[in-house]
Amino acid sequence: KNEVEQSPQNLTAQEGEFITINCSYSVGISALHWLQQHPGGGIVSLFMLSSGKKKHGRLIATINIQEKHSSLHITASHPRDSAVYICAVPYNTDKLIFGTGTRLQVFP
Amino acid sequence: DTGVSQDPRHKITKRGQNVTFRCDPISEHNRLYWYRQTLGQGPEFLTYFQNEAQLEKSRLLSDRFSAERPKGSFSTLEIQRTEQGDSAMYLCASSTYNSPLHFGNGTRLTVT
Repeated sequence: KNEVEQSPQNLTAQEGEFITINCSYSVGISALHWLQQHPGGGIVSLFMLSSGKKKHGRLIATINIQEKHSSLHITASHPRDSAVYICAVPYNTDKLIFGTGTRLQVFP
Repeated sequence: DTGVSQDPRHKITKRGQNVTFRCDPISEHNRLYWYRQTLGQGPEFLTYFQNEAQLEKSRLLSDRFSAERPKGSFSTLEIQRTEQGDSAMYLCASSTYNSPLHFGNGTRLTVT
């Protein structure tokens, strides 16, 4: 069993739809990271959160430490949101363990 | 702040050759990470430095892989006697304590 699991693996949406990506983890953590990777592009950190909710523009990330679950929401999705979204948690020292990612495609 | 830079962006090499990649982290970041990513997969941890000390190395890393971070600034990752299975994107990231990771654009290695 992977320490970090994401769902769904692939997601397609029409422009304007509300998107939810889920992440579950099995280890105790101090914080959880959400990252974005565009095709052929580098990885960009979106959020690092240890409790509650954070919002940045159309992106919202929530975490429930007790349930070991986090969600990433995208409101009013746009084709430029098409990317791979990756959840990651620190393990042991400070290395991050990554989920396999959720590939999102938003069509106009 | 120019971000994390990696060099080269692409490397094509023949099986059995040695390759070396370089990572320059953000200057005030004391933590530096190397990850490997293959198509369709999330990044896989390779090794981690805090300043010049290599604190952890993945069990997945064979003896052909070695990383250094002299003086706690830039880091190099060397792969000796490359194999086709080493073909991947090699990612470097840096951070300070409890801060988001900043990733470089990666070095894509192709072993023919």
